[in-house]
Amino acid sequence: NAGVTQTPKFRILKIGQSMTLQCAQDMNHNYMYWYRQDPGMGLKLIYYSVGAGITDKGEVPNGYNVSRSTTEDFPLRLELAAPSQTSVYFCASSYIPTGAMGYGYTFGSGTRLTVV
Amino acid sequence: GENVEQHPSTLSVQEGDSAVIKCTYSDSASNYFPWYKQELGKRPQLIIDIRSNVGEKKDQRIAVTLNKTAKHFSLHITETQPEDSAVYFCAASGNAGNMLTFGGGTRLMVKP
Repeated sequence: NAGVTQTPKFRILKIGQSMTLQCAQDMNHNYMYWYRQDPGMGLKLIYYSVGAGITDKGEVPNGYNVSRSTTEDFPLRLELAAPSQTSVYFCASSYIPTGAMGYGYTFGSGTRLTVV
Repeated sequence: GENVEQHPSTLSVQEGDSAVIKCTYSDSASNYFPWYKQELGKRPQLIIDIRSNVGEKKDQRIAVTLNKTAKHFSLHITETQPEDSAVYFCAASGNAGNMLTFGGGTRLMVKP
């Protein structure tokens, strides 16, 4: 049981390049999330998914896209990378709606992305 | 949507003293309030949480209190130790309960 696995751990992108951040969980969690954490700041929700085939925008979705073709995987796509996307990206999952039963997130270890 | 404010942004205490971090939230429908600890370069880890039908919860040296009327909740750490040094985040579940909205974080430094 690996929990939430994120790859890569580090990446440097040039302005205008694209990449996909991978997130996989093996806990059969329905709910998955992508957050970004800028230096010295809190976590901002980018996108989330309540199940396979269903995704929705969070607070800061511009410049990103997601898909959820399986329960296990929730990749985050960056198109035309910009310096403002330099951040640490965390994927998280939960089994049921976090507010329903008081069930917290399981976080991945993060991807540190620098856009130069 | 939900908005969570967290104070202070930095907190420095002497080892053995108590530390208190406060959060306010905007959505009265929020019913779940977790606290996460993030050590440098690591992922956030859940340390304690509280649901809206409970006013206080304790786990050894940490406790969380909730005032639903005032829409604020607090983290209390007693007998602080150097290993408590980290960034602490509060969060609230919002109306739909599908996601967490996080506060801006508090950097706690415990001086030996």
